Amino acid sequence: GAVVSQHPSWVICKSGTSVKIECRSLDFQATTMFWYRQFPKQSLMLMATSNEGSKATYEQGVEKDKFLINHASLTLSTLTVTSAHPEDSSFYICSARQGLAGRQNEQFFGPGTRLTVL
Amino acid sequence: GIQVEQSPPDLILQEGANSTLRCNFSDSVNNLQWFHQNPWGQLINLFYIPSGTKQNGRLSATTVATERYSLLYISSSQTTDSGVYFCAVLSGGYQKVTFGIGTKLQVIP
Repeated sequence: GAVVSQHPSWVICKSGTSVKIECRSLDFQATTMFWYRQFPKQSLMLMATSNEGSKATYEQGVEKDKFLINHASLTLSTLTVTSAHPEDSSFYICSARQGLAGRQNEQFFGPGTRLTVL
Repeated sequence: GIQVEQSPPDLILQEGANSTLRCNFSDSVNNLQWFHQNPWGQLINLFYIPSGTKQNGRLSATTVATERYSLLYISSSQTTDSGVYFCAVLSGGYQKVTFGIGTKLQVIP
């Protein structure tokens, strides 16, 4: 149980284009999903917290107009990188909170999406 | 915000050896998780352990919340244990997740 998928697993795009990444909880409903960014050989940095049916909460320094997050259902959150530039190239990882009694805060992670902007 | 420190940053082990990874945090936490990131980037849940001790096969973890640290024990290490081990804590009124920098483990045959 507690499987989270991401699509696509990797994407290469031209500078100036927009890229959408999907995060799905396959076998549970997730009222809260998280988006992280990881640079090579570094730790994960939380970008935003996504709650179903409401606006995402962005961390300080993350541009909300550049990284659009939509959490339209209890099993799907999307991250759209708008007008991507080479500096947006990174490994993007989502996670979902299952919310089980006694383990409400436990997060399960997707496999990540590697974005390369040329 | 809360500071999460992991040690050692790098570790090389001979197959079959045991090791202890440490995670220190600077404030009280609501949750602590240990993850293993494999070479393909996938984060695998190891333990959900805000306090106490848990064991799963060759791995075990202990969190002493009052002293603000957690330990991950790996016994009889195997080459498949290689990768980066992260601890992550949940803290504060906003329930923000903070990751440590990770311990990069290499197990050699």
